[in-house]
Amino acid sequence: DAKTTQPNSMESNEEEPVHLPCNHSTISGTDYIHWYRQLPSQGPEYVIHGLTSNVNNRMASLAIAEDRKSSTLILHRATLRDAAVYYCIQNSGNTGKLIFGQGTTLQVKP
Amino acid sequence: DAGVIQSPRHEVTEMGQEVTLRCKPISGHDYLFWYRQTMMRGLELLIYFNNNVPIDDSGMPEDRFSAKMPNASFSTLKIQPSEPRDSAVYFCASSLWTGVSNTGELFFGEGSRLTVL
Repeated sequence: DAKTTQPNSMESNEEEPVHLPCNHSTISGTDYIHWYRQLPSQGPEYVIHGLTSNVNNRMASLAIAEDRKSSTLILHRATLRDAAVYYCIQNSGNTGKLIFGQGTTLQVKP
Repeated sequence: DAGVIQSPRHEVTEMGQEVTLRCKPISGHDYLFWYRQTMMRGLELLIYFNNNVPIDDSGMPEDRFSAKMPNASFSTLKIQPSEPRDSAVYFCASSLWTGVSNTGELFFGEGSRLTVL
């Protein structure tokens, strides 16, 4: 299964932007990049996904490099509630099957 | 919609006992996934179904684990006999495949925390 590389942990201050990086050097032309996050004691939840161009929604923005070998999840103003494990997933199949890596644990300091 | 519903939320059992975890996916979703999460191994995909048919069970750890989906609104994950190393949080997730290139968003339940003594 395709694998992505993320830093194990990151810290941010409340109300500041956060940029969470992800490397996916084996990505192929039809693979999407998905981001999920898992709040403490909850199941993962969808954040955003994209293919080639940058994407925005109410939760975050996704910036995808031109060569698609990396991407960055951007939280524009971190809140304490954004403290979670963030998973970057490269979907290499034609199904909804998603394989989760270890993710990045984001700490948000007041 | 109430979301994906899992039961029980917590289960404590003794080694050797049979454990059955249950999942009700979101109505209308055509994919159902079972994941297991531990500190050591993270989130592992055990098995997934499409239209009630098992598609890939390569993540099921051994024959003690089995999963069924008798209809579109119910699935079970059974461990028989259970062992202490099966202690984990088991998540069920469902999605609707839109047919437009890998965009089916997964909706997760709150998980079933299993402790095998």
